[in-house]
Amino acid sequence: EAGVTQFPSHSVIEKGQTVTLRCDPISGHDNLYWYRRVMGKEIKFLLHFVKESKQDESGMPNNRFLAERTGGTYSTLKVQPAELEDSGVYFCASSQEGFRAAIYFGEGSWLTVV
Amino acid sequence: AQSVTQLGSHVSVSEGALVLLRCNYSSSVPPYLFWYVQYPNQGLQLLLKYTSAATLVKGINGFEAEFKKSETSFHLTKPSAHMSDAAEYFCAVKGQNNDMRFGAGTRLTVKP
Repeated sequence: EAGVTQFPSHSVIEKGQTVTLRCDPISGHDNLYWYRRVMGKEIKFLLHFVKESKQDESGMPNNRFLAERTGGTYSTLKVQPAELEDSGVYFCASSQEGFRAAIYFGEGSWLTVV
Repeated sequence: AQSVTQLGSHVSVSEGALVLLRCNYSSSVPPYLFWYVQYPNQGLQLLLKYTSAATLVKGINGFEAEFKKSETSFHLTKPSAHMSDAAEYFCAVKGQNNDMRFGAGTRLTVKP
């Protein structure tokens, strides 16, 4: 069974440009999460989808970040316009329904804004 | 709200020595606790999880963790370190909204 997959694995863009990160969760996982780790700091929660609905987006840093999950399958995270401080690794994760379910992470999308 | 605190941002051990990575949690409800590992330039891999069954949880690669309610701890151990264990380790707790809250991470260095 395929794990959580993320694309692109690495991206280098200029300040002011737009980047869209994609995440394909494990098949059948209704819960999808986005996290990010900036410059070796803590892994921070960004938002949580349950199917296509945003359950919690309290971690989104500002309105330059837009996450969608059309049809409750894959999700995209768009950063527009990108700023230098957005550099870091963006992790996507998914889990089955239920509090006891473990959360499985993808390999991450490594974003560098120059 | 649930949270975890990892004591020590860097731990260095010799190959073959005991590995002990500390994690303390804060939770108003019975916690579900996890350890993840991130190898260089890789994603987060689940090492083990505690979900209120056995207090001693065995994970992959010879790691285990013991849940101690009296000490609000969930320390990660391995009897004998291997060079391949060098990585960053994250303790995490499941939040009330079903998301994961992470500690700051502990970078493990293994000396030959």
